[in-house]
Amino acid sequence: GENVEQHPSTLSVQEGDSAVIKCTYSDSASNYFPWYKQELGKRPQLIIDIRSNVGEKKDQRIAVTLNKTAKHFSLHITETQPEDSAVYFCAAIFTSGGSYIPTFGRGTSLIVHP
Amino acid sequence: GAVVSQHPSWVICKSGTSVKIECRSLDFQATTMFWYRQFPKQSLMLMATSNEGSKATYEQGVEKDKFLINHASLTLSTLTVTSAHPEDSSFYICSARSRQGSTDTQYFGPGTRLTVL
Repeated sequence: GENVEQHPSTLSVQEGDSAVIKCTYSDSASNYFPWYKQELGKRPQLIIDIRSNVGEKKDQRIAVTLNKTAKHFSLHITETQPEDSAVYFCAAIFTSGGSYIPTFGRGTSLIVHP
Repeated sequence: GAVVSQHPSWVICKSGTSVKIECRSLDFQATTMFWYRQFPKQSLMLMATSNEGSKATYEQGVEKDKFLINHASLTLSTLTVTSAHPEDSSFYICSARSRQGSTDTQYFGPGTRLTVL
């Protein structure tokens, strides 16, 4: 089955700095890579995703890059703000027709210091 | 994005009783729903995958007779924790697959915090 490794487990940055979270996956069949943000006591919220036919996607201060050959993808947050503090989860998913098989990383706790 | 609701948001029960948690997709049909368990400051642990009209597929180590899952319709899945014990206390989160055309997206419910006394 799929295995997703996420690093680092904890990331502490100063407000205004950039933050990068990296994930690697093992199954080359995975073709969908979403990122979720979970604030304390709340549900994971989809913040950005990328599909296997794209190498990079950007939405304001957040971006995701995908390297299919190396089987890794990363989340980039620029100009971090205290409200970016949360746990971020990556996922590698195989989706095709009736199949949808998600595998999540273990999460990264991002702390943005004012 | 699509909305997934979960009820109740929190529940406290006595040891030995059963608790049912409902998960609904409010504005889309979910052929597949997932149930996760999350301990404080820890990752999402997949418990089972349920497809509408068929039996749930449980992950290794999850007791199917203890965690009963029913996915009776395209918008509702239920998780029943039977004979609950204090070690079952946790945050349970459901998630639903939304398919639009050929594109899949996964949305999470707000979670249910279960405390077993």
